[in-house]
Amino acid sequence: KQEVTQIPAALSVPEGENLVLNCSFTDSAIYNLQWFRQDPGKGLTSLLLIQSSQREQTSGRLNASLDKSSGRSTLYIAASQPGDSATYLCAVPTTLNFGNEKLTFGTGTRLTIIP
Amino acid sequence: NAGVTQTPKFQVLKTGQSMTLQCAQDMNHEYMSWYRQDPGMGLRLIHYSVGAGITDQGEVPNGYNVSRSTTEDFPLRLLSAAPSQTSVYFCASSYTAAGNQPQHFGDGTRLSIL
Repeated sequence: KQEVTQIPAALSVPEGENLVLNCSFTDSAIYNLQWFRQDPGKGLTSLLLIQSSQREQTSGRLNASLDKSSGRSTLYIAASQPGDSATYLCAVPTTLNFGNEKLTFGTGTRLTIIP
Repeated sequence: NAGVTQTPKFQVLKTGQSMTLQCAQDMNHEYMSWYRQDPGMGLRLIHYSVGAGITDQGEVPNGYNVSRSTTEDFPLRLLSAAPSQTSVYFCASSYTAAGNQPQHFGDGTRLSIL
């Protein structure tokens, strides 16, 4: 059974610092991984979808990497801003019945950027 | 530019009551799903649908019912509410299978069962 872990559960850093969020998964037979952002009281917003063949995907100040062999993904945030404060979740596809899929989510890292 | 719309945003029920959580998307997505989010447990899949008329169970389907009569709508019914169903419920959609495309989420329904 696929398990997705995100450590630490919470992280506080001063504004302007670069930071890395971690995601690990137990079953390396995945073909992609998604990173989401969740603001308080809101739904999830997809940030990056990284294919297993890509190893890295970038969007603005965000860079996600994926290493299937080690069962790990990282989300790098450059020059952090108070607006980056949110909970960040990673998710991997898991097979259901009849070839359908669901996403298996980590429990997230709550990030606070201190002005 | 509505995306995924969930109603209501908040609801308080008494044990044993029934209700329907509404979800609608305007992106012509085939795949829709319902998750519940509980502290320390992440998001868990309740039911999903790969197209109009096709639904299937997820990880935690007991006590919930769904139907998909149109591409746009995917309501979730609580048959007889229990305190264990107190949670935040999210509806999500995508063009195809859950893992293949970025998932679009609604803002959630916060449900309390007394």
